[in-house]
Order: sequence, then C-alpha cells, then structure tokens
Amino acid sequence: GQQVMQIPQYQHVQEGEDFTTYCNSSTTLSNIQWYKQRPGGHPVFLIQLVKSGEVKKQKRLTFQFGEAKKNSSLHITATQTTDVGTYFCAGPTSGTYKYIFGTGTRLKVLA
Amino acid sequence: NAGVMQNPRHLVRRRGQEARLRCSPMKGHSHVYWYRQLPEEGLKFMVYLQKENIIDESGMPKERFSAEFPKEGPSILRIQQVVRGDSAAYFCASSRRDANQPQHFGDGTRLSIL
Repeated sequence: GQQVMQIPQYQHVQEGEDFTTYCNSSTTLSNIQWYKQRPGGHPVFLIQLVKSGEVKKQKRLTFQFGEAKKNSSLHITATQTTDVGTYFCAGPTSGTYKYIFGTGTRLKVLA
Repeated sequence: NAGVMQNPRHLVRRRGQEARLRCSPMKGHSHVYWYRQLPEEGLKFMVYLQKENIIDESGMPKERFSAEFPKEGPSILRIQQVVRGDSAAYFCASSRRDANQPQHFGDGTRLSIL
C-alpha cells in the first residue's frame, strides 16, 4: 500500500539554527499538506501544495513540492523555541478521499 | 466560530466496557475523519464519513469498532468490549466539500483502558 515516510524522525537544534524535514511518498500525490502538532496538542494545518515544483513561504517556513510530486520538504530558518513540535506531511491516496499521514519529524529547539 | 469539538477529552474504561467518542465538525463542514494516535507515533486513518454515509472505513478494525455521522447530531466513534490495546488518543477532523481541503482537528479524546 501507499506509504509516506519522513526523515529525520527526530531533530534537536540550537535556537537560531535551521531545520529541514523531508517527506517521501511511494506514489505520486495530487497535493500534499503539512501539519504541526505541539506536545499534548492536536495537529494544526500549515499549508497545502498542489503544483509540481511549487514553493510557498510563511515567514520563516519554506515549503516545497517536488517536480515528480512524490516528495516535499519543510525548511525553518533560524528556529525559535515556539517551533517545537512534530511536523507531519499528509497526502491523499489515489482515487480516494483518505489522507495518509507521514511518520512525522519531532523537533526540539534548545535555548 | 467554534472549531471541531470532541468530547470527552479524557475517557477511562475497564476492559470489556464500551467507549463512545463524539465529534461535532466545524460549522459548514460536512466531512469527518477519525484518526488514532499512539504516544509519540503518527496519525493512523480510521474512517471517513459524510452525513449519513461511510465513505471509507478501510482503516478501522472489522470487529468492535463502528462509526456513524447521522443527519442530526455529532459523529460517533464506538468501541465495544474495549481491550488494553485500544488505549490511545483519538482525533476527529473535519473539512469542507471534498478531501482536497485542509483538515481541522479537534483536541482529541484520550482513551485509557484499565
């Protein structure tokens, strides 16, 4: 079945350092969504990418959708303690309305 | 605007009892998804429903688990004869129109089985 993997699984960074998480799907995706889940909280929608090669920015966050629409990345510039949490990508399974969530990358930021 | 409302936030059940988890979607949303999350793990899709219809239940165990989204009232995830392995956080999400829309999540129900 379709799989969505994320690397790394964990990442510890010093405050001010950059951070990147990568998302890889076993199948081509029509779109990809990114979510953030704070410890003890619920996932919160960040962004959706639809077009091949699309790049979107939200302040210090940069999201990219690969040309083949099978991978995506999230890059955070100059991390802050408020960036702590788990970042999930999610993509729809082909021909269905079911979203498969990636394995997640847990980010810790050391002050 | 109220977000996705889930209740209860915490639910404790003994083995063999029934657990009922409720989810009221955001206003204007007609699509509901249920996910299960174990500690420090990802979100596992369980079921996708529209009003009065189960669209995809491929992620839900065949036995003991059922879900509904009636014409009136919240969506219900029901777990019969709970076992220790059912302990998890159960999240509900809702969206507008079809699945290519952002999903808005509730705070979840933390189910603990004694």
